[in-house]
Amino acid sequence: QKEVEQDPGPLSVPEGAIVSLNCTYSNSAFQYFMWYRQYSRKGPELLMYTYSSGNKEDGRFTAQVDKSSKYISLFIRDSQPSDSATYLCAMSAMSFQKLVFGTGTRLLVSP
Amino acid sequence: DTGVSQNPRHKITKRGQNVTFRCDPISEHNRLYWYRQTLGQGPEFLTYFQNEAQLEKSRLLSDRFSAERPKGSFSTLEIQRTEQGDSAMYLCASSPSGTGSGYEQYFGPGTRLTVT
Repeated sequence: QKEVEQDPGPLSVPEGAIVSLNCTYSNSAFQYFMWYRQYSRKGPELLMYTYSSGNKEDGRFTAQVDKSSKYISLFIRDSQPSDSATYLCAMSAMSFQKLVFGTGTRLLVSP
Repeated sequence: DTGVSQNPRHKITKRGQNVTFRCDPISEHNRLYWYRQTLGQGPEFLTYFQNEAQLEKSRLLSDRFSAERPKGSFSTLEIQRTEQGDSAMYLCASSPSGTGSGYEQYFGPGTRLTVT
């Protein structure tokens, strides 16, 4: 079993929809959580980063962490075709440690 | 300085040849990471530097791989005697240090390696 599980998708939604992307993890030591967006053949772009449990909002993006359930989410409001990409969750136990990634969820937003 | 840069962006090499990649982190970021990503997978950790010290290496980093960060600024990743299984995207990331914030990692565009 992988430390971080993420549905590979694809997830197809119409423009304007609210998108929910999720990851589950098994290592209870994880306390730093990140979401990245990656376009095809490009490097991952950092979208959101959070420490421990709770919510964080930035524009159309909201990140949620539920450490009791070992479950993290990224919500995208008013989705746009330009949001079509692969979304990677990543996490680490200590601030300086390596990130452990999910496999990524491919999102397709149709006009 | 707008972000992490990596060179070359693409490299095609024949099996058995040596290749070297370079990463320039964001200025004043003293943590530097190398990851490898294959198609359909998330990045996998290879190694980590704090300034010029290499503090952690993954078991993925066989003895054909070597990484350096001689002056605590840019870093190089060398693969000797390349194999077809080395074909992947090699990603570099940097992170500021300090307590509280400074745990987020910023990635470069990657170097895509194809071994023929």
